[in-house]
Amino acid sequence: DTEVTQTPKHLVMGMTNKKSLKCEQHMGHRAMYWYKQKAKKPPELMFVYSYEKLSINESVPSRFSPECPNSSLLNLHLHALQPEDSALYLCASSQVGEGSTTGELFFGEGSRLTVL
Amino acid sequence: AQSVTQLGSHVSVSEGALVLLRCNYSSSVPPYLFWYVQYPNQGLQLLLKYTSAATLVKGINGFEAEFKKSETSFHLTKPSAHMRDAAEYFCAVSRPARQLTFGSGTQLTVLP
Repeated sequence: DTEVTQTPKHLVMGMTNKKSLKCEQHMGHRAMYWYKQKAKKPPELMFVYSYEKLSINESVPSRFSPECPNSSLLNLHLHALQPEDSALYLCASSQVGEGSTTGELFFGEGSRLTVL
Repeated sequence: AQSVTQLGSHVSVSEGALVLLRCNYSSSVPPYLFWYVQYPNQGLQLLLKYTSAATLVKGINGFEAEFKKSETSFHLTKPSAHMRDAAEYFCAVSRPARQLTFGSGTQLTVLP
């Protein structure tokens, strides 16, 4: 059982739609992440939130908009996506704190996105 | 800078045979090292991690890995493969205050 919960598990959307992916964790972690993963490839980092503030944006197109409403929730708002954005989107969380963390990530099951 | 190299994008073994997945790392400071497993259409699950304690690390599902500083390696092994071990395996490296860096992955196929 994963302690990071992602919804929905599957999402199909048109290029003009607006949708959101949601992620929730209750491990008390103060860092949360969005990754994009294409088939047979490693996850690619998109965004990192640390203490509910955006700390890393890996030059992601603006059609992806992250939001961190509180320390347990992370959203990814999607608008005007392209077919090439179809992928598995993974949420992860980790502890934060210099010298006290190993960088270990705890992943959710992912949201499989298909853009038509 | 930090990086990992996984040798072999595809590995096939017979059921009951030894599993060996190779990972070499590069890090300017003592690293933390991880192996994650990903089953089809699922997220990544931690198999085991090295965080500067014992160099031989035991993980879940019978897997283990040995940190060898002299060889900059962290190879993953399992004495006897099961069909359920078929999955994608990712080696990853990090260090304090740095993000995890993943290797390119190794697809393990287990033949009956």
